[in-house]
Amino acid sequence: DTAVSQTPKYLVTQMGNDKSIKCEQNLGHDTMYWYKQDSKKFLKIMFSYNNKELIINETVPNRFSPKSPDKAHLNLHINSLELGDSAVYFCASSQALAGNSYEQYFGPGTRLTVT
Amino acid sequence: TQLLEQSPQFLSIQEGENLTVYCNSSSVFSSLQWYRQEPGEGPVLLVTVVTGGEVKKLKRLTFQFGDARKDSSLHITAAQPGDTGLYLCAGESGGSNYKLTFGKGTLLTVNP
Repeated sequence: DTAVSQTPKYLVTQMGNDKSIKCEQNLGHDTMYWYKQDSKKFLKIMFSYNNKELIINETVPNRFSPKSPDKAHLNLHINSLELGDSAVYFCASSQALAGNSYEQYFGPGTRLTVT
Repeated sequence: TQLLEQSPQFLSIQEGENLTVYCNSSSVFSSLQWYRQEPGEGPVLLVTVVTGGEVKKLKRLTFQFGDARKDSSLHITAAQPGDTGLYLCAGESGGSNYKLTFGKGTLLTVNP
């Protein structure tokens, strides 16, 4: 019973290409996120959607475009890939708990390598 | 911008030893979460602390939230090789902004 799933697990592509990563959660959560983890393991938020509405948009190049067709899915499309985009991208979901605590459930990650 | 500083960044110990990981900030957080991430996987939530001074135990792991809710610590007793992983703290500033601020992590290696 996979809670948060991402596809693909690995993605190797050349500079300038356009690629998408898909994410689905079956937890019934209202909020979904995309994080980027760099080679030093620093986990940084990129985007967050709540009930299909964009609520967090950090300083991310506009080559990155998230799309949420419904609250169980949040996809990430990246245009004109650059070497610096190489990283592991994590999808996560959460549901507000008492006291506004948003515990995150992460997917397995997508390792993107741009050559 | 809220920052969370974790220390140490790297820790390599022998099985059976005790250790403490620290997470510090100059900002107040409404809650603080600890995650463990194993190679090739996503972070997994270990615990959430909400109240200043709160202490939570998870088997050999003890988590504490500072009285002022600006810092937290994770203490592991009698570490085992299965404890190896990247430990991340993450703070919530409260309200409805849905955002977690992550520390840079502590990479723990427990040698048999």
